[in-house]
Amino acid sequence: SAVISQKPSRDICQRGTSLTIQCQVDSQVTMMFWYRQQPGQSLTLIATANQGSEATYESGFVIDKFPISRPNLTFSTLTVSNMSPEDSSIYLCSVEAEWDQTGGHIQYFGAGTRLSVL
Amino acid sequence: KNQVEQSPQSLIILEGKNCTLQCNYTVSPFSNLRWYKQDTGRGPVSLTIMTFSENTKSNGRYTATLDADTKQSSLHITASQLSDSASYICVVRVEYGNKLVFGAGTILRVKS
Repeated sequence: SAVISQKPSRDICQRGTSLTIQCQVDSQVTMMFWYRQQPGQSLTLIATANQGSEATYESGFVIDKFPISRPNLTFSTLTVSNMSPEDSSIYLCSVEAEWDQTGGHIQYFGAGTRLSVL
Repeated sequence: KNQVEQSPQSLIILEGKNCTLQCNYTVSPFSNLRWYKQDTGRGPVSLTIMTFSENTKSNGRYTATLDADTKQSSLHITASQLSDSASYICVVRVEYGNKLVFGAGTILRVKS
């Protein structure tokens, strides 16, 4: 299994500022994922972060708005830049670790960062 | 378009009662389907995983079913407990490309 520590757990921020969310995993993993979960909605993948390369962003998400760092195999950060109230959401870090019986990876999630932008 | 739809959106039941949550998907090609439980303030935790060839999978009081022909899955919770209060999310993995498609979840509240 993988244990994920995500910080901060919640924050209230002013419009126009930036917040950096940290994700620490207790084991080395190749890929780390960042998701957004808006109230009452599905989890939406923001980007996939591999160590040593630029993150791969999903449609609708751009690096200038959500820069990601992946300095090593156990750590990643997501920055929400120039925030607006529309960025209020829960942001979750996730990793895939170990194979399950179907041949796919088991996905583990952090507890999430609840962000409110005023 | 790959989609996962869950029903009901929310549900309130009395402690000790059973309930069934539904998941319909249009994901193709299908790899596997997972049910996750997400407690308030926590990340989702996997309950069950089912492949195309599996019809039923149990994990304690949780039993998931899968009908690959109709592209439907259900999660049955037996003898509910207060600790079952959570959001239950159906997630389908797309074969090739390592993509996951998430449902919006069913919020379950168990009352004493």
